[in-house]
Amino acid sequence: LAKTTQPISMDSYEGQEVNITCSHNNIATNDYITWYQQFPSQGPRFIIQGYKTKVTNEVASLFIPADRKSSTLSLPRVSLSDTAVYYCLVAIPGYSSASKIIFGSGTRLSIRP
Amino acid sequence: DAGVIQSPRHEVTEMGQEVTLRCKPISGHDYLFWYRQTMMRGLELLIYFNNNVPIDDSGMPEDRFSAKMPNASFSTLKIQPSEPRDSAVYFCASSPAIQYPTGGLYEQYFGPGTRLTVT
Repeated sequence: LAKTTQPISMDSYEGQEVNITCSHNNIATNDYITWYQQFPSQGPRFIIQGYKTKVTNEVASLFIPADRKSSTLSLPRVSLSDTAVYYCLVAIPGYSSASKIIFGSGTRLSIRP
Repeated sequence: DAGVIQSPRHEVTEMGQEVTLRCKPISGHDYLFWYRQTMMRGLELLIYFNNNVPIDDSGMPEDRFSAKMPNASFSTLKIQPSEPRDSAVYFCASSPAIQYPTGGLYEQYFGPGTRLTVT
């Protein structure tokens, strides 16, 4: 199973770019990499998903190198409201059988004024 | 759509009692997931369903836990008998179908969770 490893915590300041890296050495060929954000007392919320190279949406970018053994979530110009726990998830798919969805330990991001 | 709906939001019960958590997924979603979150163990997948059929229940901790999905708009997670170590936040999530052809999962939409306290 493709386990993920993330930093336990990170600190940054408002207006800075924050990059959170996730390692997934055993990622399988068909796995996608997905990132979720979780605020206290809420369920996780989807941020971005990618398979290779770079994906960008209105809130974040996801960089995936060619070997796909890691990925980096990039949050441009963070604000206090970005303070949350960020999870890297590698989906192990199976069309007709079980898929195992494993959330990593999460990175607690704290943004300071 | 109102999103994933869970009830109750909070549940306090005594050890040995039966607890039933409820979930209404987003209409049209083919997948439903039950998770448990604790400080010690983080976010754990307990079981998930595809088109109302349980696909993978390997995360269910023991026989005291059971989950059902009698139709596409309702699922339950039952703990009988409950124990203090079951105290956690239980999340339900739903997702559209697996993304073809490479098989990545579409995003999961999580409910607000049920905070269970077993005394």
